[in-house]
Amino acid sequence: NAGVTQTPKFQVLKTGQSMTLQCAQDMNHEYMSWYRQDPGMGLRLIHYSVGAGITDQGEVPNGYNVSRSTTEDFPLRLLSAAPSQTSVYFCASSSSGGAPNYGYTFGSGTRLTVV
Amino acid sequence: RKEVEQDPGPFNVPEGATVAFNCTYSNSASQSFFWYRQDCRKEPKLLMSVYSSGNEDGRFTAQLNRASQYISLLIRDSKLSDSATYLCVVSRRHDKLIFGTGTRLQVFP
Repeated sequence: NAGVTQTPKFQVLKTGQSMTLQCAQDMNHEYMSWYRQDPGMGLRLIHYSVGAGITDQGEVPNGYNVSRSTTEDFPLRLLSAAPSQTSVYFCASSSSGGAPNYGYTFGSGTRLTVV
Repeated sequence: RKEVEQDPGPFNVPEGATVAFNCTYSNSASQSFFWYRQDCRKEPKLLMSVYSSGNEDGRFTAQLNRASQYISLLIRDSKLSDSATYLCVVSRRHDKLIFGTGTRLQVFP
C-alpha cells in the first residue's frame, strides 16, 4: 500500500517555465489537497478537492491550477513559475471515515526552486 | 492575527522530562482538532486527533478547551525520538485544514 505518492521529489525551474507536480493516492480517498510550506508561515492550502470532478481554491491559489479527473490523481500545475513559488509542496488525502476527526495522509513532498 | 497560534520554541528538554505545548485558535466555528508531528525535511504525520473530553495515546495526552479556544499536548517521559516539530491543526470543514506554524521540540540525553 503506497499511500500518497508525489513526483518529482526535487525540481528547479526557471522563471516563466510551467510544470506539473504529480500526486496519486491508492486509498480510495475522496478528499485531496495541495499545501505549500514556507519558513515561518506554516502549511497553507493552495487547492483542494472533495471528489472526482470537483475542485476549489484554498488560501493561496494564484499561479496554480488543479484538476481531478479520477479519484486517485490530483495534479498541481504551475502556469508560469515565479521565484515566490519556491517552496515545499505537499499533497494530502483523506477519507471522511464517517467522522470529522479523520486525519489526512501526506505525501513526502516536492521541493521546488524557481530561479 | 493568525488563525492558529503556537509558540515556535524551541523547547529543549532532557530525556524523561514532561513537556507541554499550547495552541490557540481564533475561529469559534472550528469543528475538528489535531496534532501532527513533522520531522526535519519530512511530511507531517498525524499524531492524534483531539476530542472535547480529552484523549490519551500512550505517553501523549491532548486536551481541548472550546470555551477558551485552546488546545494542548502533553508528552510524558520524553524520548530522543520525540524530537520534532509539533503542528497544531484545526478545521471548520473536513476539506480544509488550518495549520499552526509549529512548536519545535529537542530532547537531549
